[in-house]
Amino acid sequence: DAGVIQSPRHEVTEMGQEVTLRCKPISGHNSLFWYRQTMMRGLELLIYFNNNVPIDDSGMPEDRFSAKMPNASFSTLKIQPSEPRDSAVYFCASSFRGLPQHFGDGTRLSIL
Amino acid sequence: ELKVEQNPLFLSMQEGKNYTIYCNYSTTSDRLYWYRQDPGKSLESLFVLLSNGAVKQEGRLMASLDTKARLSTLHITAAVHDLSATYFCAVDKYTGNQFYFGTGTSLTVIP
Repeated sequence: DAGVIQSPRHEVTEMGQEVTLRCKPISGHNSLFWYRQTMMRGLELLIYFNNNVPIDDSGMPEDRFSAKMPNASFSTLKIQPSEPRDSAVYFCASSFRGLPQHFGDGTRLSIL
Repeated sequence: ELKVEQNPLFLSMQEGKNYTIYCNYSTTSDRLYWYRQDPGKSLESLFVLLSNGAVKQEGRLMASLDTKARLSTLHITAAVHDLSATYFCAVDKYTGNQFYFGTGTSLTVIP
């Protein structure tokens, strides 16, 4: 299996721009998670989906962040407008019925 | 809210030595996971502990779970440099869904 695929791997953009991160979960997995990792705050769960339905988005920092999962094989995390404090590594992970979450390689986001 | 605490946060140890990383969590859960993260890399699943008393071993690492004490340990035997990484424990409150991650333990093994 190809594993969880995230794109882009690196993104550098200016403050105020829209940023879209993409994730393709492992085929057959029914849960998808978006995390953010920083030195200061560690690993934070932003939102997770079960069977393409958002279950808990309480970790989404503010309205500038939105996530969608239009089908079982694709999800996006969008930041609009972006701010320097959004700079972090964003991970997508997927799982199936309690098996361990499998993480993608992450997107390293830098907002200038 | 479920809280997961690891200690120590930072660990520097010499090659050949033994040490234990502790993971405490605040509410009932029967599933605990250990992950490894190398610098600049993703998180890799190491162990899945699914019941009280579960013990798993892989090479120089051994993980155990005591659900009554809400405690998991990751024991390192005769450390080698290749084990240098950050280790996370995670607990899921509701089976198969949201994970709660610990703060991580940054391990450095010194030759």
